[in-house]
Amino acid sequence: AQSVTQLDSQVPVFEEAPVELRCNYSSSVSVYLFWYVQYPNQGLQLLLKYLSGSTLVESINGFEAEFNKSQTSFHLRKPSVHISDTAEYFCAVSELRGFQKLVFGTGTRLLVSP
Amino acid sequence: SQTIHQWPATLVQPVGSPLSLECTVEGTSNPNLYWYRQAAGRGLQLLFYSVGIGQISSEVPQNLSASRPQDRQFILSSKKLLLSDSGFYLCAWSDHGDGYTFGSGTRLTVV
Repeated sequence: AQSVTQLDSQVPVFEEAPVELRCNYSSSVSVYLFWYVQYPNQGLQLLLKYLSGSTLVESINGFEAEFNKSQTSFHLRKPSVHISDTAEYFCAVSELRGFQKLVFGTGTRLLVSP
Repeated sequence: SQTIHQWPATLVQPVGSPLSLECTVEGTSNPNLYWYRQAAGRGLQLLFYSVGIGQISSEVPQNLSASRPQDRQFILSSKKLLLSDSGFYLCAWSDHGDGYTFGSGTRLTVV
């Protein structure tokens, strides 16, 4: 069975600083990887995903994540954060084959201050 | 385009009362449907999933049940709520394996 570890429950950062949110996964088979963002009292929105191909994937709002198979990681990065990036970020994994069932990490709260 | 509707947005219910949360999907057919619960300070826990009408799989034993009476309708229910049922409930759908689309969630407070 898959599992996801997000070691940082909260990451405080100043506006315009770079940030990295860490995600490590465990699985015995090949996987799809996802990052979701959740703003207060809202559902989750897909930020970006890795299905196959290039190991570096990007979102439309400046986030990127790199799939590292040897380190079983899918860290999320942004070179310069905005106040509006304050939210909870969830990493998730699903197996390539069979019924898709996403397994989520416990989330990382990104707090951007001026 | 596909959309997912979930209601109500917030709900306050007394212990022992029944529960019914509804989720509907538009713009797709035969989706996989999911109910997740997010407790305060914790991640998302998969409660139920469904691959078709009347087909429900439960992930964890609990006080809740789910039903899928129509292809694009997924209902979460309880006969008698417990305090521990409080949380943020999220419905989601997927079609062919490249991620979920989530509803806006229901904040349930059991008092």
